[in-house]
Amino acid sequence: EAGVTQSPTHLIKTRGQQATLRCSPISGHTSVYWYQQALGLGLQFLLWYDEGEERNRGNFPPRFSGRQFPNYSSELNVNALELEDSALYLCASSLGGASYEQYFGPGTRLTVT
Amino acid sequence: EDQVTQSPEALRLQEGESSSLNCSYTVSGLRGLFWYRQDPGKGPEFLFTLYSAGEEKEKERLKATLTKKESFLHITAPKPEDSATYLCAVRIGGGADGLTFGKGTHLIIQP
Repeated sequence: EAGVTQSPTHLIKTRGQQATLRCSPISGHTSVYWYQQALGLGLQFLLWYDEGEERNRGNFPPRFSGRQFPNYSSELNVNALELEDSALYLCASSLGGASYEQYFGPGTRLTVT
Repeated sequence: EDQVTQSPEALRLQEGESSSLNCSYTVSGLRGLFWYRQDPGKGPEFLFTLYSAGEEKEKERLKATLTKKESFLHITAPKPEDSATYLCAVRIGGGADGLTFGKGTHLIIQP
């Protein structure tokens, strides 16, 4: 069974630009979560999508946004990139709702210069 | 504020030397405590979920336990391939948030 996939593996952007990251969940999973893992800060919860709707977001500014498509894949958009946005962005999927284990993808390494 | 604290931050063991990693939490309405393993540059790999005090789960050389205030990940006779960062995370009451993670324990097993 294929796991969570993310693209691209690496992304280099300039400050002020926009970045788009993509995630495909495990087949049958309807919930997608996005996390940021910056150096020294640990994993921080960004966004949760379930059945195409944004269900909750962490303590991040509105320039972090996303969406979930009818096939349950998801996209994370980061506008007006800042240097401190450089991090590993991880996507996780679960069976849905709030009571299931989350399985993570390999991540997208975003570097902002 | 809900918090998850892991200790030690780093641990170096000899192959075969058993030890325990600690995860203490201060959350209300815990709805699950999760252990993950993360190798450098990769996404976390799911290990265990614990839901109630007294619960224990095992997988190969790993055993996770849960009390009302903390969880332990016991590593028995570790091998070099067990070297990784071990992350603890909690899901709080209502289930409306993503997981809250600790900063992890970086474990090195020397041959």
